[in-house]
Amino acid sequence: AQSVTQLDSQVPVFEEAPVELRCNYSSSVSVYLFWYVQYPNQGLQLLLKYLSGSTLVKGINGFEAEFNKSQTSFHLRKPSVHISDTAEYFCAVRDSGAGSYQLTFGKGTKLSVIP
Amino acid sequence: DTGVSQDPRHKITKRGQNVTFRCDPISEHNRLYWYRQTLGQGPEFLTYFQNEAQLEKSRLLSDRFSAERPKGSFSTLEIQRTEQGDSAMYLCASSLEGTGLRAFFGQGTRLTVV
Repeated sequence: AQSVTQLDSQVPVFEEAPVELRCNYSSSVSVYLFWYVQYPNQGLQLLLKYLSGSTLVKGINGFEAEFNKSQTSFHLRKPSVHISDTAEYFCAVRDSGAGSYQLTFGKGTKLSVIP
Repeated sequence: DTGVSQDPRHKITKRGQNVTFRCDPISEHNRLYWYRQTLGQGPEFLTYFQNEAQLEKSRLLSDRFSAERPKGSFSTLEIQRTEQGDSAMYLCASSLEGTGLRAFFGQGTRLTVV
């Protein structure tokens, strides 16, 4: 069984400042990792994913995340945030083996960008 | 690509009533998932279909819940004898096998049981 911990439920940050949203996971098997974003009244949208290969993953809207296996972390970063980045962000994990297709999500981090 | 469509968007029902939700995935997506999201929580997996076959079910899916995907196209999720604890947002997602595990989510159906 996997679990995901998003350490911050809310993160306020000023416009054009950098931001890091933290995600740690636990799993007894190899995993795939994802970040999703949910804007108000919209469905979840995939920001980026780590399946294999380079541990630094770049996604849409200038976001990137780094997979750290030893620390079981997959933190999301953006060097300069915009007002439009205000949303809720979810980290998710999935077993990389065959036979299980479910995503396990964290509780989410609400990012508020302050003008 | 018209996206994943869910109907209705909102449903208010009295405790003990049955409700049914519909999900229309992106056409040609052979994988379909149902999740439930309660306030302050991330989505929780309920069930997964590959084509018309239901291949995975969560323990969250009690015997009051049933999901179907006839002909491998749209899917329905039925909740019988609703309870107040069933109040949540029900999310549907779809993906196409071989496209790197990218799932597209619908906007969800918000269920309120009074």
